[in-house]
Amino acid sequence: EAQVTQNPRYLITVTGKKLTVTCSQNMNHEYMSWYRQDPGLGLRQIYYSMNVEVTDKGDVPEGYKVSRKEKRNFPLILESPSPNQTSLYFCASSGSSGTEETQYFGPGTRLLVL
Amino acid sequence: LAKTTQPISMDSYEGQEVNITCSHNNIATNDYITWYQQFPSQGPRFIIQGYKTKVTNEVASLFIPADRKSSTLSLPRVSLSDTAVYYCLVGGDNQGGKLIFGQGTELSVKP
Repeated sequence: EAQVTQNPRYLITVTGKKLTVTCSQNMNHEYMSWYRQDPGLGLRQIYYSMNVEVTDKGDVPEGYKVSRKEKRNFPLILESPSPNQTSLYFCASSGSSGTEETQYFGPGTRLLVL
Repeated sequence: LAKTTQPISMDSYEGQEVNITCSHNNIATNDYITWYQQFPSQGPRFIIQGYKTKVTNEVASLFIPADRKSSTLSLPRVSLSDTAVYYCLVGGDNQGGKLIFGQGTELSVKP
């Protein structure tokens, strides 16, 4: 089954404790991206990657890091989480960066930073 | 990047046709228009996509006027299960992968 998986689905952590949210897709997609979703603000892109070792900032990259060492994986790293990073995070993938390509979204990771 | 504007919310009743309009005045020549549906605590999922004129699939229709500065998602005979947030997305690969979702339209279908 074609899918995007994220782990963990739920996470509670404390300020400053480094964490990683994993994202993996099994569709051999070149393009992957991370979004955060907050009430009243819709979906905002954090980082995206157009292929292995190619990443770039989205609209809200501050406080986040990403890496793309393998085509299927695109982890999101919070080196020093803060309470304003409490949010619902989605990973997505598509065949290319063009919007004629359908974005496939993961199930989401709900993060609470205390 | 083409910015999109949609109504924040809409109400409807079961069995009615619902039309949600998205404005995208700065759409570029190679931009596609894509609509996604999102249920609470789930990732968005693709509904329909178009470039110009009209597109129809088993779920919805998408109407795009000649100037492409707006688009209308049409949901025929909605049911309670169509209650969701609907996002309009516009952007092209000349943007290098940067995509902007608007705030979305929260559709509430009542019995």
